[in-house]
Amino acid sequence: GAGVSQSPRYKVAKRGQDVALRCDPISGHVSLFWYQQALGQGPEFLTYFQNEAQLDKSGLPSDRFFAERPEGSVSTLKIQRTQQEDSAVYLCASSLAAGHTEAFFGQGTRLTVV
Amino acid sequence: AQSVTQPDIHITVSEGASLELRCNYSYGATPYLFWYVQSPGQGLQLLLKYFSGDTLVQGIKGFEAEFKRSQSSFNLRKPSVHWSDAAEYFCAVGAGNNDMRFGAGTRLTVKP
Repeated sequence: GAGVSQSPRYKVAKRGQDVALRCDPISGHVSLFWYQQALGQGPEFLTYFQNEAQLDKSGLPSDRFFAERPEGSVSTLKIQRTQQEDSAVYLCASSLAAGHTEAFFGQGTRLTVV
Repeated sequence: AQSVTQPDIHITVSEGASLELRCNYSYGATPYLFWYVQSPGQGLQLLLKYFSGDTLVQGIKGFEAEFKRSQSSFNLRKPSVHWSDAAEYFCAVGAGNNDMRFGAGTRLTVKP
């Protein structure tokens, strides 16, 4: 596709439920990033992939958060046993080269935990 | 670790007036600096970036920014604001690693 695509756009989860958020990066992009954006805040880094390798997961807030990119293209961010504090917009970005040379962002998935 | 401060949470300007959004960063070496814009319900769109070289960088939509090492600043400017510029603006700093830090954002309102 022409840009980074994320699905679903909106997700409402009951507390304790597991969720999976999908990111389709721009075709051929090596780098993929996940960010968490709380209401009224700037995005905060969660994790980074270079192709299929997860090179940095230092921003994942707890072991309930897990991300994968098994074939170096589509990525999934999974959150287990969701809590209210997980409510946020989850943004995915990709860039052609390694690192943050020029990252293109998707529209995000707004997760609301009730 | 790098950090970014955007001192202005909300700015209101009249259409046609000039604009300057402030950004201060903290990082020990020469950072990579970015400005992104986010419209409601949308992802972030890159306006411009600075990696090295000329400290005055031009971006899309008529925006420019100037890197001032002595002031640790990377302020965004536009000479004449259009109503369509109303959005949230984020400054970000990357340290050559994979971690890009964003400021809390400045919301721009444009008065007719």
